[in-house]
Amino acid sequence: NAGVTQTPKFRILKIGQSMTLQCTQDMNHNYMYWYRQDPGMGLKLIYYSVGAGITDKGEVPNGYNVSRSTTEDFPLRLELAAPSQTSVYFCASRNAGGGEQYFGPGTRLTVT
Amino acid sequence: AQKITQTQPGMFVQEKEAVTLDCTYDTSDPSYGLFWYKQPSSGEMIFLIYQGSYDQQNATEGRYSLNFQKARKSANLVISASQLGDSAMYFCAMRDGNAGNNRKLIWGLGTSLAVNP
Repeated sequence: NAGVTQTPKFRILKIGQSMTLQCTQDMNHNYMYWYRQDPGMGLKLIYYSVGAGITDKGEVPNGYNVSRSTTEDFPLRLELAAPSQTSVYFCASRNAGGGEQYFGPGTRLTVT
Repeated sequence: AQKITQTQPGMFVQEKEAVTLDCTYDTSDPSYGLFWYKQPSSGEMIFLIYQGSYDQQNATEGRYSLNFQKARKSANLVISASQLGDSAMYFCAMRDGNAGNNRKLIWGLGTSLAVNP
């Protein structure tokens, strides 16, 4: 049981490049979340999903896109990367009955 | 609007002593949940403890306990017998019951705890 996995762990992008951050969970959780954490700050919600085929915007969705074609996977797409997107990105999941969110190890992204 | 406030940016505690990390919240929904997470320097987010708004007892998990004062809208984390490994950032979060099925978490800005030997 791997829990929530994220790839890659680290990535450096040039301004204007695009990439997809991968997130997979093996706990059959309906709810999945993408957060970003800027240095010394708390978590900000980018997008979330309450089940396959259903996604919605969080606090800071601009510059990002998501899809949820399966229960397990919730990739986050960055189009036209900007320096303001330099951050650590966390994926999390939880089941529909409530309770805590389980977090992946994070992806450290630098845009230069 | 729902909000979580952690007023202590940084705290110090001597090893083996107890420490309280403050968290106040604001919500108009009678059904809500409060969470504490630990983030060590390695970066992962570790769930510590949960308190539901209807729970009669304060939550406890090993050395962690939650001092839940509903009338004051506070949910302070108490760590007993601090250990060097407790040095980390601690985040308080609230489940947004008003959002219905969405069940997003609202996060505080965190408190940095340093345990001194």
